[in-house]
Amino acid sequence: EVQLVDSGGGLVKPGGSLRLSCAASGFTFRSYSMNWVRQAPGKGLEWVSSISSGGSYVYSSDSVKGRFTISRNNAKNSLYLQMNSLRAEDTAVYYCARSGSGDPHDAFDIWGQGTMVTVSS
Amino acid sequence: EIVMTQSPATLSVSPGERATLSCRASQSVSSNLAWYQQKPGQTPRLLIYGASTRATGIPARFSGSGSGTEFSLTISSLQSEDFAVYYCQQYNTWPYTFGQGTKLEIK
Repeated sequence: EVQLVDSGGGLVKPGGSLRLSCAASGFTFRSYSMNWVRQAPGKGLEWVSSISSGGSYVYSSDSVKGRFTISRNNAKNSLYLQMNSLRAEDTAVYYCARSGSGDPHDAFDIWGQGTMVTVSS
Repeated sequence: EIVMTQSPATLSVSPGERATLSCRASQSVSSNLAWYQQKPGQTPRLLIYGASTRATGIPARFSGSGSGTEFSLTISSLQSEDFAVYYCQQYNTWPYTFGQGTKLEIK
């Protein structure tokens, strides 16, 4: 079964750090671009960051640039999001999602179940 | 940044009827447009990609059309399980952007 399992969320104070993980199974992880998308409580979807299949190319939204870093370990079939200098407005459910091909310009066809990040003092 | 605008914000339709949701891009995204469905407490689900291609396992009652800046999602005969929030997304140009969503509710 093709599956993504998100983990690593929790409660963190403003200015703190957190590292999210996404474990992939059921497909050839190294062949696909990957993404992080977030959803604040009661709000819509917001794209956060993307990484190419080999990890050479990364893209991030302006709202997280310089604070969040996307990375991957193809040997471990895992995607990561290192989040530093967290702010209250980063509070959201974070989803990892697979691009439908190796091309980063593709829709997100498989999604993780999401992991909640709460930034509060 | 490309702004995606969905209309209407809420659409009330009776089961069995047809629903048409709209999505407009602030500049051309070619056909790099996807539609997602999200039910309360659930993960988003890909319905349509490439503006008009149904994703794996999506029923034929869902269809997408459009290119450039104007897109639509049509559900031909609404089933009870179709009442949800629908998002469009452009993946043509970084940063990728989503519309604000259309809530499809039972009339």
